[in-house]
Amino acid sequence: NAGVTQTPKFRVLKTGQSMTLLCAQDMNHEYMYWYRQDPGMGLRLIHYSVGEGTTAKGEVPDGYNVSRLKKQNFLLGLESAAPSQTSVYFCASSYAEEGSSYNEQFFGPGTRLTVL
Amino acid sequence: GENVEQHPSTLSVQEGDSAVIKCTYSDSASNYFPWYKQELGKGPQLIIDIRSNVGEKKDQRIAVTLNKTAKHFSLHITETQPEDSAVYFCAASRGAGSARQLTFGSGTQLTVLP
Repeated sequence: NAGVTQTPKFRVLKTGQSMTLLCAQDMNHEYMYWYRQDPGMGLRLIHYSVGEGTTAKGEVPDGYNVSRLKKQNFLLGLESAAPSQTSVYFCASSYAEEGSSYNEQFFGPGTRLTVL
Repeated sequence: GENVEQHPSTLSVQEGDSAVIKCTYSDSASNYFPWYKQELGKGPQLIIDIRSNVGEKKDQRIAVTLNKTAKHFSLHITETQPEDSAVYFCAASRGAGSARQLTFGSGTQLTVLP
């Protein structure tokens, strides 16, 4: 199993450009998440999804859109990139366990995005 | 919303010594507290977690303690080894039966000196 994979690994954008980050998981997880990681600030949740066709806002959703058309994929879009969106982006996924309230999140290797 | 504070931001220990990282949280309804380890260039990986119905959990050289009254929890690593060098994040979340919205601390860079 590849686990959680992210594409691309690195990207440089100019202000105003758009792009899509792809996350794929092969663990049949119901839940998927997008985080951004900035120095000294830990990870912050951008958006998440509890199943195919559903998405919800996290802590820092402004400037981002997401889509979950297939259970195994979760896309993060930047419509008009800004320098403030320079960050490392991590995707994660987890089970929806029957009868359990808790679930481990499995993280991908990250995408380093620079917006000039 | 939830706020998680983590201390220290950097920690250096000699190989074989113990390391302790502390976190405090603000939301008394939080009931799940995981710890993640992040090695350079990789995504975070869960190393241990604790639920609000227990006060301590141990897994070989790693242990976590939780004080719900004081709203703080700690990670203890004993007999540290060079491969323990990494960034460690604590996190907290509330709720049940749905996707966990984790609030992370700012991280601790642990360096184990040989």
